[in-house]
Amino acid sequence: GNSVTQMEGPVTLSEEAFLTINCTYTATGYPSLFWYVQYPGEGLQLLLKATKADDKGSNKGFEATYRKETTSFHLEKGSVQVSDSAVYFCALSPGSNYKLTFGKGTLLTVNP
Amino acid sequence: GAGVSQTPSNKVTEKGKYVELRCDPISGHTALYWYRQSLGQGPEFLIYFQGTGAADDSGLPNDRFFAVRPEGSVSTLKIQRTERGDSAVYLCASSDPPGELFFGEGSRLTVL
Repeated sequence: GNSVTQMEGPVTLSEEAFLTINCTYTATGYPSLFWYVQYPGEGLQLLLKATKADDKGSNKGFEATYRKETTSFHLEKGSVQVSDSAVYFCALSPGSNYKLTFGKGTLLTVNP
Repeated sequence: GAGVSQTPSNKVTEKGKYVELRCDPISGHTALYWYRQSLGQGPEFLIYFQGTGAADDSGLPNDRFFAVRPEGSVSTLKIQRTERGDSAVYLCASSDPPGELFFGEGSRLTVL
């Protein structure tokens, strides 16, 4: 079946540091890949997505590239801010079906 | 508000009791989803409605769980004979397919 493995947290960084959160997946076929973010006290929000190999999703300074050869979709940001503190979830769905399979989430804390 | 609304935000019940969790989707969204998030885990798919009908209920763990969406808008997740293992945050999302899912803040269920 489908599965997502993401970097265990928590991750603590200083403001302006570089961020990487690793995500690898197992799936049949060609899934769509997503990063969701959950800010304190809020619902899950879509951060970015990629629907085919070598696509790069980007939003709010975050980027992730769909790497089929390594079955990975690592999240990166060049300079984090305190406001990026949240839980980040990697997820996949088969084709256009929005039946999402999530990773366990990674808590990011950014200190001033 | 304009987002997905879930009630109650917190529910504490005793083992063996019946509970209902309500979801008000974004107006006009035809698709509605329920997910369950246990402590330390990512959300897990339960059921997907397109309009009034359950298009995919393969994630419901057993026959104690049931969900309805009688008029194609509000949905209720019903859990009979609750067990301690049912304790989790129950998330609802809606979408205007093939658009992104918008999640509510969730209903936290605690079974004593």
